[in-house]
Amino acid sequence: EAQVTQNPRYLITVTGKKLTVTCSQNMNHEYMSWYRQDPGLGLRQIYYSMNVEVTDKGDVPEGYKVSRKEKRNFPLILESPSPNQTSLYFCASRPGISLPYGYTFGSGTRLTVV
Amino acid sequence: GESVGLHLPTLSVQEGDNSIINCAYSNSASDYFIWYKQESGKGPQFIIDIRSNMDKRQGQRVTVLLNKTVKHLSLQIAATQPGDSAVYFCAEINTGNQFYFGTGTSLTVIP
Repeated sequence: EAQVTQNPRYLITVTGKKLTVTCSQNMNHEYMSWYRQDPGLGLRQIYYSMNVEVTDKGDVPEGYKVSRKEKRNFPLILESPSPNQTSLYFCASRPGISLPYGYTFGSGTRLTVV
Repeated sequence: GESVGLHLPTLSVQEGDNSIINCAYSNSASDYFIWYKQESGKGPQFIIDIRSNMDKRQGQRVTVLLNKTVKHLSLQIAATQPGDSAVYFCAEINTGNQFYFGTGTSLTVIP
């Protein structure tokens, strides 16, 4: 089944404790992205990657890091989480930047930072 | 930057009635639009899309209408069912292939 898999689904952590949310897609998509979803704000892009070893900042990159060492994986790293990073996170992928295709989204990771 | 908004944050309809969910966008140069459905505890799912050179597109029980003159997009769901209860939001894609998502309308279907 074509899908984007992210883990964990739920995570509660303490301020300052580094964490990684994993994301993997099995569709050979070039383009991957991380979004956060907050009430009343919709989906906001954190980081995106157009291909292996190519990443760039989205609209709200502060406090986050990403890497794209392989085409299928795009982990999101919070080096020192803070309570304002409590949110619902989605990883998404699409075939490429030049094609008019929508995203396939993962099921989400609900992160709480206390 | 682009601004994508929805006219109503919540919508309740009787089972079997038709639903209409609206979206306004700000960039007249946007090339592509998508409607997504997000059920509780799940990621957004693609419902239907439309290119800017079209004004209507139909899928199974869903129709998307695009009015470029007033920069308005709507999603019509025919014979709404309980399984249609979800948050629906539109995405506007500009010519640079950047996505801008609306905040969503929560649809509740009353049995």
